[in-house]
Amino acid sequence: ETGVTQTPRHLVMGMTNKKSLKCEQHLGHNAMYWYKQSAKKPLELMFVYNFKEQTENNSVPSRFSPECPNSSHLFLHLHTLQPEDSALYLCASSQEPGTGEETQYFGPGTRLLVL
Amino acid sequence: AQSVAQPEDQVNVAEGNPLTVKCTYSVSGNPYLFWYVQYPNRGLQFLLKYITGDNLVKGSYGFEAEFNKSQTSFHLKKPSALVSDSALYFCAVRVDRDDKIIFGKGTRLHILP
Repeated sequence: ETGVTQTPRHLVMGMTNKKSLKCEQHLGHNAMYWYKQSAKKPLELMFVYNFKEQTENNSVPSRFSPECPNSSHLFLHLHTLQPEDSALYLCASSQEPGTGEETQYFGPGTRLLVL
Repeated sequence: AQSVAQPEDQVNVAEGNPLTVKCTYSVSGNPYLFWYVQYPNRGLQFLLKYITGDNLVKGSYGFEAEFNKSQTSFHLKKPSALVSDSALYFCAVRVDRDDKIIFGKGTRLHILP
């Protein structure tokens, strides 16, 4: 175990549903990340939070809405998704970016299927 | 813009043979280089990283990687492959003081018994 947990592990939702993904890290890190992993595509960075402040929004559609209430928890709120949003969503955490040596630790991911 | 390339989608190696998974990068500053491994239905696990110093970096599970500045490469190697090494391997690069890590598309490693 890496110290980063994600729930749920699997999620099936319709295009009109609203759901949330949760990530929690127990490593004392200050930065948290959401990634999207689709088949045969590079890992896509979606959002970065550093000390609870969003520092990166990588042109992600507004149907994905992140929330970081504290340095240990990160949410991804989903609404009116499209079938092409089906993917593995990975959460990661690290020491604050810019220190030069931080390593990202990943959770197991949430496998999302949008019908 | 920084980028990282993994030229092989898949690498097949017989158990017991040495393995190499290739990675090249393009950055405008000092690179920080990483290798991660992903087993089925799991998140990415950190293997090793190069920040500075010795060009040969040793990591988890007997893996090592060599930083080659002139060839802008950071190939992952292991002297003797195990079937349990079969997984998806990702190379990643970050530029000094940039908080975004760029991942390659991954290379699937198959170790044949």
